[in-house]
Amino acid sequence: GQQLNQSPQSMFIQEGEDVSMNCTSSSIFNTWLWYKQDPGEGPVLLIALYKAGELTSNGRLTAQFGITRKDSFLNISASIPSDVGIYFCAGQNSGNTPLVFGKGTRLSVIA
Amino acid sequence: KAGVTQTPRYLIKTRGQQVTLSCSPISGHRSVSWYQQTPGQGLQFLFEYFSETQRNKGNFPGRFSGRQFSNSRSEMNVSTLELGDSALYLCASSFIPGLAGDTDTQYFGPGTRLTVL
Repeated sequence: GQQLNQSPQSMFIQEGEDVSMNCTSSSIFNTWLWYKQDPGEGPVLLIALYKAGELTSNGRLTAQFGITRKDSFLNISASIPSDVGIYFCAGQNSGNTPLVFGKGTRLSVIA
Repeated sequence: KAGVTQTPRYLIKTRGQQVTLSCSPISGHRSVSWYQQTPGQGLQFLFEYFSETQRNKGNFPGRFSGRQFSNSRSEMNVSTLELGDSALYLCASSFIPGLAGDTDTQYFGPGTRLTVL
């Protein structure tokens, strides 16, 4: 089945630093989503992208839908301790197919 | 607007037992999807329901089943539990599936943590 390659698997950064993570796929997706999951909770939607080339921001978060439709990245600027968690990318071919998730990027922020 | 709710939040069962998990979608949402999350396999799709009909099904054995009621609430059932069924079971709802764009964006509940002993 389809798989998303998400990298890096984990990262340790200093508070105030910028963070970048990405997802790549061997096949095309028509929707890219980024979620954040805190321990013991369900994933929370951060940013949704519906159009190739689209660049969308949500506060300190910015995500882009790759022009080839096979990749997406998420940037977090000026990281703070509450950014700690696992970030997942998810892709969807069409509204009739289920989401495919990456394995997640575990972010740790050192104060 | 209340989010997706799942009950119970935690559950401990023994091998061979069966379990039923419940999910109430966001008000107005008519599609419910279920996922299994484990450290080794990540988030894996179980099934999706819309208008009381299963639209999609993931690659899980027949011991995993689900249903949706007329008020869009959904339940999933796992029979003959195995140790490997220990996981966080997540439910996600969306407004209407099958249409590209934000009407199909999925919002997750907090999950049910199932432990099989």
